Amino acid sequence: SQELEQSPQSLIVQEGKNLTINCTSSKTLYGLYWYKQKYGEGLIFLMMLQKGGEEKSHEKITAKLDEKKQQSSLHITASQPSHAGIYLCGADMDSNYQLIWGAGTKLIIKP
Amino acid sequence: DTGVSQDPRHKITKRGQNVTFRCDPISEHNRLYWYRQTLGQGPEFLTYFQNEAQLEKSRLLSDRFSAERPKGSFSTLEIQRTEQGDSAMYLCASSPGANQETQYFGPGTRLLVL
Repeated sequence: SQELEQSPQSLIVQEGKNLTINCTSSKTLYGLYWYKQKYGEGLIFLMMLQKGGEEKSHEKITAKLDEKKQQSSLHITASQPSHAGIYLCGADMDSNYQLIWGAGTKLIIKP
Repeated sequence: DTGVSQDPRHKITKRGQNVTFRCDPISEHNRLYWYRQTLGQGPEFLTYFQNEAQLEKSRLLSDRFSAERPKGSFSTLEIQRTEQGDSAMYLCASSPGANQETQYFGPGTRLLVL
């Protein structure tokens, strides 16, 4: 089983609607990273969270790390076609800078 | 563009052949990582370097895989006697180190073993 669970696996959302992707760990996280990947390409860094309760926003994307530092959510407001892609969470679980990854959430935006 | 670059972007090879991939990290980034990614999965850690020293290697990594970073700048990943199961996207990432650990990824090298 995955140490880092992402849900949902895939998501189809009408353009303009909001959506949330979750990333859950069984262990306390030292750092939680969100990336976006277009099919067949590398990963683009979105945000990094370290402190319990931390929340960061960039344009229409907001990421939160819960107080216990075991779950993070990524929220997109008023989705656009440019938001389509695969969202991956990566976590530093042992403070050794090696990231463990979720399997990704594939996001499709319907026009 | 001063991001992470990888070469080649695509490689098709026959089973049993050796292949070598190159990664050029962001200038002055101390840490360099190699990952492998298959379809529908997140990246799987292979190995990482702190400058020229290889500090960690995945226990899942076959002896057919070897990586180097001879001068602490670019890195190469070699796969010997390739197998069909080696077909994947190979991703390289770098980070500044010194408590700045966000990893920046290259575009990847897609390997297909026939």
